Amino acid sequence: GNSVTQMEGPVTLSEEAFLTINCTYTATGYPSLFWYVQYPGEGLQLLLKATKADDKGSNKGFEATYRKETTSFHLEKGSVQVSDSAVYFCALSDPGAETSGSRLTFGEGTQLTVNP
Amino acid sequence: ETGVTQSPTHLIKTRGQQVTLRCSSQSGHNTVSWYQQALGQGPQFIFQYYREEENGRGNFPPRFSGLQFPNYSSELNVNALELDDSALYLCASSLPGQISNTGELFFGEGSRLTVL
Repeated sequence: GNSVTQMEGPVTLSEEAFLTINCTYTATGYPSLFWYVQYPGEGLQLLLKATKADDKGSNKGFEATYRKETTSFHLEKGSVQVSDSAVYFCALSDPGAETSGSRLTFGEGTQLTVNP
Repeated sequence: ETGVTQSPTHLIKTRGQQVTLRCSSQSGHNTVSWYQQALGQGPQFIFQYYREEENGRGNFPPRFSGLQFPNYSSELNVNALELDDSALYLCASSLPGQISNTGELFFGEGSRLTVL
């Protein structure tokens, strides 16, 4: 079945440091890939997405590239801010999305804490 | 635009009891999905409702059931509660086909269930 593996956390960085959160996946077919973010006290929000190989998703200074050859979708940001402190989830869509609609497979999440 | 709202936010039940969780989807969204998020884990897909019918189900037993109403709001019912049912239950809404087009699910803040 489908699965998503994220780097073990938590991750603690100083402000303006470079961020990488690793994500690898296993899926049949060609899934779409996503990063969702969960800020304290809020619901999950879509951060960025990529729907095919070599696509790069980007938003709010975050980037991730869909690497089919390594089945990866690592999240990066060049300079993190305190406000980026949150839990980050990598996810993929069921390749059979025609019938599965909103069925996402999530990784276990990575807690990011950014200190001033 | 009204977001996804869930109720109650917190509740405590004892083993063997039944629970009903409620969700109001984002305005105009007619597809609702439910996820279970155990502590320290990523969300796991329970099922999806579209046009008041279940349309896709994850690996959850039949004691997890749901309803969708004509106004697109939804309920999640869990019978014969077990200790392992303790989790954050997330509701997400979307337009049909949106997951494959934009990948964006709109999540509520969740209902935290504790089973004693």
